[in-house]
Amino acid sequence: RKEVEQDPGPFNVPEGATVAFNCTYSNSASQSFFWYRQDCRKEPKLLMSVYSSGNEDGRFTAQLNRASQYISLLIRDSKLSDSATYLCVVNMVNYGQNFVFGPGTRLSVLP
Amino acid sequence: EPEVTQTPSHQVTQMGQEVILRCVPISNHLYFYWYRQILGQKVEFLVSFYNNEISEKSEIFDDQFSVERPDGSNFTLKIRSTKLEDSAMYFCASSNREDYGYTFGSGTRLTVV
Repeated sequence: RKEVEQDPGPFNVPEGATVAFNCTYSNSASQSFFWYRQDCRKEPKLLMSVYSSGNEDGRFTAQLNRASQYISLLIRDSKLSDSATYLCVVNMVNYGQNFVFGPGTRLSVLP
Repeated sequence: EPEVTQTPSHQVTQMGQEVILRCVPISNHLYFYWYRQILGQKVEFLVSFYNNEISEKSEIFDDQFSVERPDGSNFTLKIRSTKLEDSAMYFCASSNREDYGYTFGSGTRLTVV
């Protein structure tokens, strides 16, 4: 099983739509989880951390299910500017504290 | 907003040459990282650095790679005898806690010809 897996995408949605991305991770001891976004040929930028109780930041909601080793990101009322690749990032405790990136899910928000 | 600065933004080098990629992490950060991303592929961990020594490295980070923090502000990645497959975007990142999300620099695009 790969360390971090994500929906393969791409997701093409109209403006205003709600879209959800899923991510699964293999290391049950992982403690830290994040969503990053990456625009084409740019650096990854931290979007939000993912906490056990779930957390929300404006139109973005992240949830964690430790039992299923599953993380999700929900984007409501999507904007054209949300078009990017969304990266699920998990720390791999058994490999020190380095973070492992998922392959990303590409989102295109269409006018 | 504090930034991680990387130079150069683009480096072209001949196969077999040595390159040094430079990074200036955020000033109060203690943990430093190099990642790379081959075009169209995922971001891959290379090495983490804390307290002036390597704390973790991946299988990719073999003997041709080395890192250094020569002067308390710069953090460099050296690639000796570059190969064609070293062509990638190299990202530096820093953090003030090892379990916090990182801040990435804008990357150096390395092209080996």
